Amino acid sequence: KNQVEQSPQSLIILEGKNCTLQCNYTVSPFSNLRWYKQDTGRGPVSLTIMTFSENTKSNGRYTATLDADTKQSSLHITASQLSDSASYICVVKRDDYKLSFGAGTTVTVRA
Amino acid sequence: ETGVTQTPRHLVMGMTNKKSLKCEQHLGHNAMYWYKQSAKKPLELMFVYSLEERVENNSVPSRFSPECPNSSHLFLHLHTLQPEDSALYLCASSQMRVTDTQYFGPGTRLTVL
Repeated sequence: KNQVEQSPQSLIILEGKNCTLQCNYTVSPFSNLRWYKQDTGRGPVSLTIMTFSENTKSNGRYTATLDADTKQSSLHITASQLSDSASYICVVKRDDYKLSFGAGTTVTVRA
Repeated sequence: ETGVTQTPRHLVMGMTNKKSLKCEQHLGHNAMYWYKQSAKKPLELMFVYSLEERVENNSVPSRFSPECPNSSHLFLHLHTLQPEDSALYLCASSQMRVTDTQYFGPGTRLTVL
């Protein structure tokens, strides 16, 4: 069973709207959580990274949150743009440096 | 560009062919990785090399054979593959034990007929 579950699997939003992606994990012991953006035909690129003590981290219009108690994270995209169309992958790292990947959420932004 | 290049970008091969994927990183990192990405599935870590030594091998079939001749280059040799091996193969690099940020290449889209 995968230790990192993402939802929804895919979503479609209109340009300019906001959306929130979810990541639930059971990975333990927890070290950090990272969100990657993967454009079509490209490799994933790191957006944010959060450690146990961090609740919120922003990168431009992307804001990630982390609740280490409930083992949940979210990625909020504000005022979406066409270039936000991509797959967003949640990755959790354990203390022993092993990584667990979510299956990703595919976001499609339409004009 | 992330500083990690992969060639070829697309590859179509028959089950009896032998081919190789190449990855090169220009970031001065000390670790390199091969991942398999199938549709709707999480990335699967295949191999990890640190300082040119294989430090992890996630029970990958022997029809995949990695090679790391130096810290900047990584190969994945393919032979007698199966159609289910069709996927996007991603290479990544990082400065292991310093920062765990992995920088990914664009991937090789492999189709096995």
